[in-house]
Amino acid sequence: QKEVEQDPGPLSVPEGAIVSLNCTYSNSAFQYFMWYRQYSRKGPELLMYTYSSGNKEDGRFTAQVDKSSKYISLFIRDSQPSDSATYLCAMRVNRDDKIIFGKGTRLHILP
Amino acid sequence: NAGVTQTPKFRVLKTGQSMTLLCAQDMNHEYMYWYRQDPGMGLRLIHYSVGEGTTAKGEVPDGYNVSRLKKQNFLLGLESAAPSQTSVYFCASSYPPPFNYGYTFGSGTRLTVV
Repeated sequence: QKEVEQDPGPLSVPEGAIVSLNCTYSNSAFQYFMWYRQYSRKGPELLMYTYSSGNKEDGRFTAQVDKSSKYISLFIRDSQPSDSATYLCAMRVNRDDKIIFGKGTRLHILP
Repeated sequence: NAGVTQTPKFRVLKTGQSMTLLCAQDMNHEYMYWYRQDPGMGLRLIHYSVGEGTTAKGEVPDGYNVSRLKKQNFLLGLESAAPSQTSVYFCASSYPPPFNYGYTFGSGTRLTVV
């Protein structure tokens, strides 16, 4: 079983829809969870950073962590064509640890 | 504020040739990393450094060498390029714990080995 699993997509949704992106993981020791956004031919950029379980909201983006199910989600409300990108989940056990990345989900927002 | 700058942006090498990829950061970050990104494989850590003069192996270090002579620069070398090293290479940097809330990535170097 891979440490972090993420559906590669592509996921295509109409503009204005709510998008749900998800990752599952196997290591119950992970405590820090991140979402990165990567536009085509660009490097990943940090979008959300959360610690332990619960929700974190930043504008149209909400990150959700369910440690009991080893499942994290990123929700995008009122999706825009500019949200079209690859989204990578990432996690680590502690701040000394290297970050483990998912393989990314390609998202297309259709105008 | 440039962040993380990678040079070159594109390169085509012949099998057996050597080259050095340069990463420079202006954020005074202590930690630096080299990743490769391949379709279906995601980001894989090649080498990393936790400070000037230090280097360590990551997940896929074979065929690569690195040096960190200055805090702001992290060099990735390919001594004898192979087609399997065709990839997009990303450099990243971060503060050390407890302030390393994530990595800042460069825009990548697209390398093709023919």
